[in-house]
Amino acid sequence: AQSVTQLGSHVSVSEGALVLLRCNYSSSVPPYLFWYVQYPNQGLQLLLKYTSAATLVKGINGFEAEFKKSETSFHLTKPSAHMSDAAEYFCAVSESGTSYGKLTFGQGTILTVHP
Amino acid sequence: DGGITQSPKYLFRKEGQNVTLSCEQNLNHDAMYWYRQDPGQGLRLIYYSQIVNDFQKGDIAEGYSVSREKKESFPLTVTSAQKNPTAFYLCASSIGREVGEAFFGQGTRLTVV
Repeated sequence: AQSVTQLGSHVSVSEGALVLLRCNYSSSVPPYLFWYVQYPNQGLQLLLKYTSAATLVKGINGFEAEFKKSETSFHLTKPSAHMSDAAEYFCAVSESGTSYGKLTFGQGTILTVHP
Repeated sequence: DGGITQSPKYLFRKEGQNVTLSCEQNLNHDAMYWYRQDPGQGLRLIYYSQIVNDFQKGDIAEGYSVSREKKESFPLTVTSAQKNPTAFYLCASSIGREVGEAFFGQGTRLTVV
């Protein structure tokens, strides 16, 4: 069985500061890993995905994540936070050999950005 | 524009009633999914379908039912057997097995009154 743990249900940063959202996973087979963002009362939007190509993945809105197999981690970063980044972020995993949409999600991290 | 449409956006149900949530996609995707979202618990998979006329239970299928008679449509029925149905429900689709990421609809918020 696969699982995802997001460390920290709430993260608060100042505008312009580094954003770091942590994600650790467990999977018995090579995983596919995703970060999604959700604004209040909205659906989820894909930020980036890892599918066994480059371990450093760049996504939309200046976000990137690095797949570290030895640490079973896929942390999300952004060098400089913007007010518009305030949202809830979800890390998710699917197993290779299954559909990309059959996902196991972490509990989510709410990002607050202070002026 | 292609996308996933969920309706209604807000739904109120009396205890003991069945309700059906609509999900339609015009992305020509083979696979469709239903997730339930509760605060602090992330999203959990209810049912999924990888092809028309076929679907499988996810992690929390009890009290729910689905059908997949058309490629574009994957309605979810929340039955009276679901003990705690108040939640935010999200529908998603993907091209198919091992190809393409999941796209999500805007969700339906169901409240039992």
